[in-house]
Amino acid sequence: AQRVTQPEKLLSVFKGAPVELKCNYSYSGSPELFWYVQYSRQRLQLLLRHISRESIKGFTADLNKGETSFHLKKPFAQEEDSAMYYCALSGRDNYGQNFVFGPGTRLSVLP
Amino acid sequence: EAGVAQSPRYKIIEKRQSVAFWCNPISGHATLYWYQQILGQGPKLLIQFQNNGVVDDSQLPKDRFSAERLKGVDSTLKIQPAKLEDSAVYLCASRKLAGVNEQFFGPGTRLTVL
Repeated sequence: AQRVTQPEKLLSVFKGAPVELKCNYSYSGSPELFWYVQYSRQRLQLLLRHISRESIKGFTADLNKGETSFHLKKPFAQEEDSAMYYCALSGRDNYGQNFVFGPGTRLSVLP
Repeated sequence: EAGVAQSPRYKIIEKRQSVAFWCNPISGHATLYWYQQILGQGPKLLIQFQNNGVVDDSQLPKDRFSAERLKGVDSTLKIQPAKLEDSAVYLCASRKLAGVNEQFFGPGTRLTVL
């Protein structure tokens, strides 16, 4: 079964500090991993995908298949990064391509 | 381009009543998803359509929930009868059939069952 875990419900850091949001997954095949973000009063939106290997708003995430992790990192947090972050996995099962979201981590960047 | 639209934005009903939600995906997006997001949890997939066919409804509580996408565009999700535990935000998302695997989400409908 596909499963995504995010161990931290809330993560608070000071502005300018590094931040790492943890994500672990379980999936028997080759998954596609995503980070979605939801800013206050906005809709859920894609932040980045592992296959594009890009940096968005200073955030990066590397897929580690050995540790089945896809942690989100940013070297210097900004106040505008405060939001809910969801790790998600897309994989194929008996029904086709589907998505599984983790429970989310609320990032609070303090001034 | 216009984003995914959902209505109503908020709905309050009493248990055992019925409720329906509407979603209009981004034009040209063949795949449409309905998610249930209970407070403090991540979105949980209820049903996935490709055009007007159901791809995955394995997590849809079919004794009370139903969904349709008759012409492969708009979709409705219905709950009949509602239970207290159905209180949640119901999210609709859509994506293109081919190309980048990215879902675009609507603003959601917040349902409160009293």
